[in-house]
Amino acid sequence: AQTVTQSQPEMSVQEAETVTLSCTYDTSENNYYLFWYKQPPSRQMILVIRQEAYKQQNATENRFSVNFQKAAKSFSLKISDSQLGDTAMYFCAFMKSNRLDATNKLIFGTGTLLAVQP
Amino acid sequence: SQTIHQWPATLVQPVGSPLSLECTVEGTSNPNLYWYRQAAGRGLQLLFYSVGIGQISSEVPQNLSASRPQDRQFILSSKKLLLSDSGFYLCAWSVDSHINQPQHFGDGTRLSIL
Repeated sequence: AQTVTQSQPEMSVQEAETVTLSCTYDTSENNYYLFWYKQPPSRQMILVIRQEAYKQQNATENRFSVNFQKAAKSFSLKISDSQLGDTAMYFCAFMKSNRLDATNKLIFGTGTLLAVQP
Repeated sequence: SQTIHQWPATLVQPVGSPLSLECTVEGTSNPNLYWYRQAAGRGLQLLFYSVGIGQISSEVPQNLSASRPQDRQFILSSKKLLLSDSGFYLCAWSVDSHINQPQHFGDGTRLSIL
C-alpha cells in the first residue's frame, strides 16, 4: 500500500523568504502522480502544484516549485518570496496512474502547518 | 467552468440524530466524486468514492453511508450519529478520464456532535 509522510507538523517563515516543505512517499509503482494542496484558515482545499512521475523536470507554478527525487521517493515544495496569504496547512498527496486505477483516488499526508510571519 | 457546492457549511447535531450532507457539481458530466473526513490536526481520510450514478465504494468501515442519486449529486448520510462522527467533511470531484486528473474540493462542512 502507498503511504505519504510529512515529517514537519509546523513550520514558520518570514515574509519574502523562501521555505521548503518536505514530503516522502512509499510505493512500488513506477508511474504515478504527486500533488501539493493548500488549505488556508478558510478550510478550502486548493490545488497548488502537481508532478507526473515519468517527467524528470520539476514542476513550477509561479512562486511554487517542487524538488522531485524519484529514486529517493521525495517530493518537496519550495515557496519563494513567501507572502502572508501563503499561511495555510499544506498537504502532499499521491495518486496511482489511471492505467492501474482509474478512480483518481488520493492518498494524503498528515500536513504541514506553515505560518508566514510579517 | 466547473464548480462544486457543498452544504451546509456548519452543522450541530445531537448524538443519535440522522445526517444528510449534500454535494453537487456543475459544469461537467460524469465526474468522479469523493467524500473525505478531516479530524482536527490530521490529514484527509477518504470515506467514499463514486465513478457513476448508483456506484459507491466505501474505503473504511463506519457509521456513514453515501449515495449518488444523480450524475452530479453526492450525498453523505447517517441514520444515527455518533460522537466520533464529528469532524470536517469535504466533498471533491475529478474528471473521469483515461488521463489522471486532480481532485477539486468543496468548501467543506464542519460537523459537531453534541
